[in-house]
Amino acid sequence: GAVVSQHPSRVICKSGTSVKIECRSLDFQATTMFWYRQFPKQSLMLMATSNEGSKATYEQGVEKDKFLINHASLTLSTLTVTSAHPEDSSFYICSASIFPGLAGGPAQFFGPGTRLTVL
Amino acid sequence: RKEVEQDPGPFNVPEGATVAFNCTYSNSASQSFFWYRQDCRKEPKLLMSVYSSGNEDGRFTAQLNRASQYISLLIRDSKLSDSATYLCVVDTGGFKTIFGAGTRLFVKA
Repeated sequence: GAVVSQHPSRVICKSGTSVKIECRSLDFQATTMFWYRQFPKQSLMLMATSNEGSKATYEQGVEKDKFLINHASLTLSTLTVTSAHPEDSSFYICSASIFPGLAGGPAQFFGPGTRLTVL
Repeated sequence: RKEVEQDPGPFNVPEGATVAFNCTYSNSASQSFFWYRQDCRKEPKLLMSVYSSGNEDGRFTAQLNRASQYISLLIRDSKLSDSATYLCVVDTGGFKTIFGAGTRLFVKA
């Protein structure tokens, strides 16, 4: 299957610092990339949808200025958590989509995730 | 009502058992349906797509009932390695993908 990488896999940082997470589709060009956040024992929550060369679409309740998304190419999207605080500690997962995918709809392939801990 | 609802479980079953999960969705315009598997502290991995006609992959069978707006996953002959959280995923079109909260499965020896 398609491979999506994510870097770094784990980050521990001090409150107030900014953290950048990279998401790459390694063997395909992704029409769209997604960023999710998952708190312990909860489901994935979509944060934003990102298309190459255009502004990301953020879900309700997600602060655009705090979670900066840059989608510079069809294989790379970055999420920057600016001025991170302890409540931002979470598991951040990206996914890349191929359209059309399985069953005629977009299939998503997930990166391995980045565990962010803000002290 | 949540857009995608699943019984959180946990389901505790012995090896060799058959277990079934259901998932309901609220948007009748939903177009594609998937089951993902997520292991603890890992990313979700696509298990199988769900077609109206039903589809089977080894010990796993998925079915879609559009009229009742639910999908199901059946696991036969459970293995210890099947222990995971199973996520019901619904694509409502326009890249709007909704994840269920997941159903936790524990298979015991």
